[in-house]
Amino acid sequence: QMTQSPSTVSASVGDRVTITCRASQSVAHSLSWYQRSPGKAPRLLISQASNLQSGVPSRFSGSGFGTEFTLTISDLQPEDFATYFCLQSYIFSITFGGGTMVDIK
Amino acid sequence: QLVLQESGPGLVKPSETLSLKCSVSGDSFNGHFWSWIRQAPGKGPEWVGYVSTAGGATGRTQLNSILGGRGSITMDMSRGQFSLQLLSVTAADAALYYCARHAAGTNHSPLDTWGQGIWVTVAS
Repeated sequence: QMTQSPSTVSASVGDRVTITCRASQSVAHSLSWYQRSPGKAPRLLISQASNLQSGVPSRFSGSGFGTEFTLTISDLQPEDFATYFCLQSYIFSITFGGGTMVDIK
Repeated sequence: QLVLQESGPGLVKPSETLSLKCSVSGDSFNGHFWSWIRQAPGKGPEWVGYVSTAGGATGRTQLNSILGGRGSITMDMSRGQFSLQLLSVTAADAALYYCARHAAGTNHSPLDTWGQGIWVTVAS
């Protein structure tokens, strides 16, 4: 079970946003973060809890190990207003967080 | 550049079979695990199942137990496609269905490339 919070966050351009995923048991560092924008395929942002994927802006960062993980977006940009979700791939079957919608305040 | 594209009917009648196909292009179909994921309105994403084209695990499939044995996944190596069949659908199966590739040659890895998704409605 992955519990993601908050479900919605209202923010402004330039803000810092933090999203949390908590696992019901340890998933080590097998936690990844995704961005989904309307009409687009979900995009892998971060793998192994903190590894930024190629081409992903450095304002995105991830941290955590075991049962608690965070995704931080610093200096929020207009293209960052989207839905974010986490995925644990350590325990079979893989499971997702419920998602966090980042919308414009 | 790897591209995944889902296809299939957007409307399925209750109790009938849902069949979706994922076409893979731009990179090798071999050597990976490929999954189906769905997201119902108002809910988080849910893993549906995978098929493997990775070495000794080629052809291996696994479905989420929440499907109650109604699901199957097949693949066509020559066409670079894999398909999901879900029997006896109900309204609970209505969702946005995605296909995706696991980053490494294991199902215990992130999903590095996704299709855009296909909406499936269950209604008579």
